[in-house]
This record gives sequence, structure tokens and C-alpha cells, in this order.
Amino acid sequence: EVQLLESGGGLVQPGGSLRLSCAASGFTFSSYAMSWVRQVPGKGLEWVSAISGSGGSTDYADSVKGRFTISRDNSKNTLYLLMNTLRAEDTALYFCAKMECGRSSCQSPPKNWFDPWGQGTLVTVSS
Amino acid sequence: EIVLTQSPGTLSLSPGERATLSCRASQSVSSTYLAWYQQKPGQAPRLLIYGASNRATGIPDRFSGSGSGTDFTLTISGLEPEDFAVYYCQHYGSSPYTFGQGTKLEIK
Repeated sequence: EVQLLESGGGLVQPGGSLRLSCAASGFTFSSYAMSWVRQVPGKGLEWVSAISGSGGSTDYADSVKGRFTISRDNSKNTLYLLMNTLRAEDTALYFCAKMECGRSSCQSPPKNWFDPWGQGTLVTVSS
Repeated sequence: EIVLTQSPGTLSLSPGERATLSCRASQSVSSTYLAWYQQKPGQAPRLLIYGASNRATGIPDRFSGSGSGTDFTLTISGLEPEDFAVYYCQHYGSSPYTFGQGTKLEIK
């Protein structure tokens, strides 16, 4: 069974930094691209960032470009999101998601749907 | 950026009825790259449909997807109590992978 478990969320002041982690199990982690998606409580979903299976290719939403860095450690089956210069509008529940294509290897976004998703970790940016 | 607009914002129906949810794209989207997700309170989104019409593993056949170009539809035939939730469409053919704003399906 595929499992994704996010951690690292918490309360941080505006301008601060936080690193989120997503521990993956149940599949060959390095064979799949991964994404981060966020959701302001009570609001809709916003894609944040994606990374290829090898980690060599990354992509970001304009709203976080230059402030957030996605990375992965395939030896540890873990996805990361380093968030710098945090703003109040970054307050949200952050989900990681496996990017699926229906084959045994889905290395490169785009053209991959998101399945499954982790349960999320809450980031609150406030003074 | 492709903007997805879902309608209605809220749909009030009774168990057993048929639900029809719409997702309209600001420009043509390949049906290969359109997905639908279900989200219940306090839970992560769950994939229902990919490629506009393919049910994900374990999804009951009362859920069906259709459409092409700029207009896509999620149909739930014979609503069960567990189907009342928020539904999102998403395109994943190119970055940014945008989502619709969601349709809340509530019990009438």
C-alpha cells in the first residue's frame, strides 16, 4: 500500500523559513515524480511545486517561485519543501502527492495525475 | 495558465438522485489530462477520474466522467450518503497544474 506522511509544519513568523518532509513507502520512490499542493483551510486546492523522479527537474507555481525549493532524497524515500521568506498568504495545509501515469515508472511531470495524497501538514505564518 | 471554472458552486440533492457537476476550461484541454478528485472534511483529496473518463482503482461505477475541449462533466448516478463532499477538477497536461474552485455536493 502506498503511503505518504507529511511532517514539519508549524507556526512561523513572517519572513521565516520552514522545511516540510514527506516520507513515502509502498512504491519505488525514485520512479515517480512528486508534487506539493496546498489548501487554505476552507478553500480550494493550489498546486505548489513538482519534481521529477531523479530530482533533476523542478517546477514551481509563480506564487512561490524564488522562495520555495523542492527536493528529494531517493535513498531515504523522502520529498522535501524548503520554504523561505514566508508570508501570511502561505498559511495552508500542505499535501504531498505521487504523480501517477498508469505505468511502473512516471519520472517526469507533466501529464501525470495526483494519486495518492498524504494527509497534509499545517503551516501557519503569523506574528 | 488554464483557468478551470466549476459549476454550480453548491449542489443540493437527495440520496438516490443523479448529480451532474461541470468543469469549464479557459482554453481547450486534452481530455487525456483532466482529473476529478473528491474531498471530505478533514481528509486529503482522493482521485476519482483521470483522463476525463477513466475511473481510478476502487471507485464505484456510479461515478463517471465525460467531456472534451473546454467542457467536462462528472456524473454521479444514484447518490449514496458517502458521496456528499467537495469535488475538484484539475488539468495536468502542462504546468501550472490548476484546479477548479470546487463544487460542494450537499444533502438536501
